[in-house]
Amino acid sequence: SQQGEEDPQALSIQEGENATMNCSYKTSINNLQWYRQNSGRGLVHLILIRSNEREKHSGRLRVTLDTSKKSSSLLITASRAADTASYFCATDALAQKLVFGQGTRLTINP
Amino acid sequence: GAVVSQHPSWVICKSGTSVKIECRSLDFQATTMFWYRQFPKQSLMLMATSNEGSKATYEQGVEKDKFLINHASLTLSTLTVTSAHPEDSSFYICSARGYSGSPDTQYFGPGTRLTVL
Repeated sequence: SQQGEEDPQALSIQEGENATMNCSYKTSINNLQWYRQNSGRGLVHLILIRSNEREKHSGRLRVTLDTSKKSSSLLITASRAADTASYFCATDALAQKLVFGQGTRLTINP
Repeated sequence: GAVVSQHPSWVICKSGTSVKIECRSLDFQATTMFWYRQFPKQSLMLMATSNEGSKATYEQGVEKDKFLINHASLTLSTLTVTSAHPEDSSFYICSARGYSGSPDTQYFGPGTRLTVL
């Protein structure tokens, strides 16, 4: 069953603006990962944050994790048209298999 | 590094035929491989987990006799959709975890789009 719930399901912003996506999950996790998927393509791993970490940065990406609220957020700063894609969070629990959220479809308008 | 390939990238077949999809880790040994399916505009659903040399573990609701998984070596896993029907049309994605990079990271293949007529 899907564990992650993502919010919003779809987001459309202007190029240069920041995009924030949220993910909530239900059970304890070892880590949470964010992936990007361009239409009809495979997944690209963006960032992994462990359960004992609160924030992580990678280039224009910033991920936060709040284990008390069982939630995470992905911030993309200074968005570009090339950032248009679907973004998924995935949780890695004790079984070491990823459970994906429903995803957020992000559209960056030029 | 850590590249996973899938073959074919797309396949169209007639109802009732079987289709085999290959997943290869090109530059690392994959101790565990995962198979997902994704319907249009939906998320990835884990179908099964396979470890080299042992039987695959299927998720609840996935028919093991219909979706045959063979993880014959540390670099190759195959998914065979037997007696395919139109409802099996989907995007199938494999991923691999193993002796490369972070042990927590799964590396995903580009996916195989299956269309059953």
